[in-house]
Amino acid sequence: DQQVKQNSPSLSVQEGRISILNCDYTNSMFDYFLWYKKYPAEGPTFLISISSIKDKNEDGRFTVFLNKSAKHLSLHIVPSQPGDSAVYFCAASPYQGAQKLVFGQGTRLTINP
Amino acid sequence: DAGVIQSPRHEVTEMGQEVTLRCKPISGHDYLFWYRQTMMRGLELLIYFNNNVPIDDSGMPEDRFSAKMPNASFSTLKIQPSEPRDSAVYFCASRTRVPGSTDTQYFGPGTRLTVL
Repeated sequence: DQQVKQNSPSLSVQEGRISILNCDYTNSMFDYFLWYKKYPAEGPTFLISISSIKDKNEDGRFTVFLNKSAKHLSLHIVPSQPGDSAVYFCAASPYQGAQKLVFGQGTRLTINP
Repeated sequence: DAGVIQSPRHEVTEMGQEVTLRCKPISGHDYLFWYRQTMMRGLELLIYFNNNVPIDDSGMPEDRFSAKMPNASFSTLKIQPSEPRDSAVYFCASRTRVPGSTDTQYFGPGTRLTVL
């Protein structure tokens, strides 16, 4: 049973445009969410996170939005750059600092020049 | 800082053979995690340790899988006997709970395992 789902295996976006990656979760106990970015032949690296007390968190070109009632979060990248081409994983946990993270399947983002 | 080190980076073995994956966490980190990545299920947590003690192994798929952490700088994940469905990328990650530190897990580059 996949508690965190990223329903789009891949996404292709033109350079300079907005990239929107989506993530849905089923467990209402999840209260803290993270996005990780993974390049080929490397491990995932932390990108941005959000706690359920917020509905938005911004860090430079990256913004994460959380809709708790819909159990949905999204990652916006504006503007998209070729270096953003990677696999993005959404992860969830019951609280900030929890050891167990539940990850989604990942979305491969390709930025076209 | 060398980051999390995993070896080997690639492993090809035949069904029924024993496979041992190795991990050296970041110095000073007191939590260590083993994950498996597959296309269908994404990243799954297999087991994690705190101060070398296994805390939660509920993600270990079967008795064929075992993990140890004999000291703070080394951990192994063993599969015996291996099966083709074990083919995946296995990641090790570490973190620390020191106040003021980044509250995230740091991943190694992974070991790509292929079982023929």
